[in-house]
Amino acid sequence: GENVEQHPSTLSVQEGDSAVIKCTYSDSASNYFPWYKQELGKRPQLIIDIRSNVGEKKDQRIAVTLNKTAKHFSLHITETQPEDSAVYFCAAGDQGGKLIFGQGTELSVKP
Amino acid sequence: NAGVTQTPKFQVLKTGQSMTLQCAQDMNHNSMYWYRQDPGMGLRLIYYSASEGTTDKGEVPNGYNVSRLNKREFSLRLESAAPSQTSVYFCASIPQGDTEAFFGQGTRLTVV
Repeated sequence: GENVEQHPSTLSVQEGDSAVIKCTYSDSASNYFPWYKQELGKRPQLIIDIRSNVGEKKDQRIAVTLNKTAKHFSLHITETQPEDSAVYFCAAGDQGGKLIFGQGTELSVKP
Repeated sequence: NAGVTQTPKFQVLKTGQSMTLQCAQDMNHNSMYWYRQDPGMGLRLIYYSASEGTTDKGEVPNGYNVSRLNKREFSLRLESAAPSQTSVYFCASIPQGDTEAFFGQGTRLTVV
């Protein structure tokens, strides 16, 4: 069945450094790749997304890249800040409405 | 707009009991979802409803049933709760297939 693998499961960086989280997906029908941030005790919230007809998208300190041939996509956070500390989830969706999430990455940004 | 509302927020069940988790959205979204979240396992899709009148199995459907009552409401039923179903359950809705998912606040379910 469809699967989304996410790595690493935990990531610790110094404030100001960059953080990269990677995901791979198995379903060729996937055409939508969102990233969600979940703070402790709260619901996941969308931070950025990319569609299959785009290779890269940037929003201030956050960028996503997509390689459809290799079926992998990545989240890049530059100039990390303590408030970036949270769990980040990648996901892959198709036009039929199915949305599968990765296992999550716990990011810790140390001041 | 309230967004996505789940009830209850917390629930403790005994093994073998049944219950229904309720979810309602007031954003006129077509698609609705039920996920469970367990430590280290991310958000796993239980069932989803791409549109009113349709439901489909996700990654972990065993032990659950769903009903898309109307466009607003999507309920999740546990017929005979098991300790393995202890989890945080999230409902979500999406306007259409490739757009942002809006999540409810979650239901923390403990089965003893």
